[in-house]
Amino acid sequence: DTEVTQTPKHLVMGMTNKKSLKCEQHMGHRAMYWYKQKAKKPPELMFVYSYEKLSINESVPSRFSPECPNSSLLNLHLHALQPEDSALYLCASSVGSGANVLTFGAGSRLTVL
Amino acid sequence: DQQVKQNSPSLSVQEGRISILNCDYTNSMFDYFLWYKKYPAEGPTFLISISSIKDKNEDGRFTVFLNKSAKHLSLHIVPSQPGDSAVYFCAASDQAGTALIFGKGTTLSVSS
Repeated sequence: DTEVTQTPKHLVMGMTNKKSLKCEQHMGHRAMYWYKQKAKKPPELMFVYSYEKLSINESVPSRFSPECPNSSLLNLHLHALQPEDSALYLCASSVGSGANVLTFGAGSRLTVL
Repeated sequence: DQQVKQNSPSLSVQEGRISILNCDYTNSMFDYFLWYKKYPAEGPTFLISISSIKDKNEDGRFTVFLNKSAKHLSLHIVPSQPGDSAVYFCAASDQAGTALIFGKGTTLSVSS
């Protein structure tokens, strides 16, 4: 299995809602990432988990809360988001953190009303 | 401040000709560079990479060239095919192990 699976593909939520994005990989990768991509912009790093521990948090607002329950799963919990948080959220994994090839999922398209 | 720059937002090429996509970087600590391809509604897909100890890496129709003194890399696609039409992202990382830093992307259109 060489895929990173993200659910849901599309999510629409209000500013008071609580929702979660999920990511799963079964490649035995030990680093997992959340990136955010807005239209016509490059993917921007949000969080990195290495061996299930949060190793990088790129000053992301606390309304985004990552969780890594085990080495195969990565969640992004969303609460009290703003319309400007609407974007494509990409999950990725790699063998380890550092100069490794990242395998990306197809992304979750989030719209905040 | 952008550390990885792709200054051409778009490139149009005829089928069978060469496509050259360019990328510049500012951080001299970067030592590993990758190219990703992205189709609409899909995640980026890894294409080819190069380490700073090399100046060229080739994989089939795709060749990446690295000029460290100029802090410049380029991706050559020969021959270009309509299926190559996509957004191409240049990315870089450093020895400290931070995750990839991406450029803004270049949209390649290959016409038949």
